[in-house]
Amino acid sequence: EAGVAQSPRYKIIEKRQSVAFWCNPISGHATLYWYQQILGQGPKLLIQFQNNGVVDDSQLPKDRFSAERLKGVDSTLKIQPAKLEDSAVYLCASSPMTQLVSTDTQYFGPGTRLTVL
Amino acid sequence: AQSVTQLGSHVSVSEGALVLLRCNYSSSVPPYLFWYVQYPNQGLQLLLKYTSAATLVKGINGFEAEFKKSETSFHLTKPSAHMSDAAEYFCAVSEGRNYGGSQGNLIFGKGTKLSVKP
Repeated sequence: EAGVAQSPRYKIIEKRQSVAFWCNPISGHATLYWYQQILGQGPKLLIQFQNNGVVDDSQLPKDRFSAERLKGVDSTLKIQPAKLEDSAVYLCASSPMTQLVSTDTQYFGPGTRLTVL
Repeated sequence: AQSVTQLGSHVSVSEGALVLLRCNYSSSVPPYLFWYVQYPNQGLQLLLKYTSAATLVKGINGFEAEFKKSETSFHLTKPSAHMSDAAEYFCAVSEGRNYGGSQGNLIFGKGTKLSVKP
């Protein structure tokens, strides 16, 4: 079974530029998460999708971050414009969760390491 | 509000020694608890999870954790460390089904980096 795929693996941009990350979850997984992991900290949830609908985006800085999962499969996270403090690893995860049961395992991709100069 | 505290950002053990990584949680409702491991430049991999069944949970690679409600703890142990165990370990809590809008969202601790000396 293929795991969660993410691209690119690394990205370096200047502040105020825009950037986009792509995630392809495990086939058949209904739920998709984007996390931000700043160096020295644990991952922090940015947004959760159930199929193509947003379940929770309360911690997404909506003035600069956006995410979509148009067909309920792969997803894109965008930052525009980027700030220095956005330097982090952006992790995508998916789970089979279809009935709002939270014991499902989340499967993580390798992440995209973003450096904002 | 949920939170997770991992005591010790770095733990160093000798190969063959006991591994003990500490995790305390705060939750207003019965929690689900998880331990994930992260190897360099890789995503997180689930080690084990507590979902209100047995309080002693066995995971992969010889790790286990015990849920102690009275101590609000979920410490991770392994009897004998191996060099390949060197990684960063994250404890996480989920409040479960549809509490306050969260549905399976994980709240992570800051992580503990485990070093194993030969």
